[in-house]
Amino acid sequence: NAGVMQNPRHLVRRRGQEARLRCSPMKGHSHVYWYRQLPEEGLKFMVYLQKENIIDESGMPKERFSAEFPKEGPSILRIQQVVRGDSAAYFCASSLGTKNQPQHFGDGTRLSIL
Amino acid sequence: QKEVEQNSGPLSVPEGAIASLNCTYSDRGSQSFFWYRQYSGKSPELIMFIYSNGDKEDGRFTAQLNKASQYVSLLIRDSQPSDSATYLCAVNALTGGGNKLTFGTGTQLKVEL
Repeated sequence: NAGVMQNPRHLVRRRGQEARLRCSPMKGHSHVYWYRQLPEEGLKFMVYLQKENIIDESGMPKERFSAEFPKEGPSILRIQQVVRGDSAAYFCASSLGTKNQPQHFGDGTRLSIL
Repeated sequence: QKEVEQNSGPLSVPEGAIASLNCTYSDRGSQSFFWYRQYSGKSPELIMFIYSNGDKEDGRFTAQLNKASQYVSLLIRDSQPSDSATYLCAVNALTGGGNKLTFGTGTQLKVEL
């Protein structure tokens, strides 16, 4: 499967725990984006990364959220000390990286906080 | 004013009809425009993208862009029940190298038998 791969598909955490969401971009894509979709709301940009660099994190909450895209391995979105309001679908997308190139989305991770 | 606005619907059309979905955006410097289809509980799927004023056709889908009016639309010809979904309009932002997408809240389309 050459598409954007996200795991896990579903993740359940208790309040105060950490959540780690993983994303492997499409083959040949070096640019990764994370979006969050709250229930009954639109997709909101969180962060844009290239290998080993955060390019734009203007949509990331100031606390508890971090993202990385290491030289080797998938991109990771990390949420520390989760709260109920973090319950959402988190989507990863990738693109070839050239300006205006379309972004292709993975299946998402549905995060539920108990 | 929302950055990307769409009528939430639902927009109901009979099978075989043309569905017309509309979107306006506020950032006059936006350069690229995308339509995604999202079925309930699924991820967004890219349907069309357009960069230049005018029409772009792909099968049953036609995207239309008017930068002067800050307006982009998606036409679906010969609508099928399988087209019933939420259609998301997305516009690139100029920050972050132009690769950050701003989405509308989507228009729900229902194609009725």
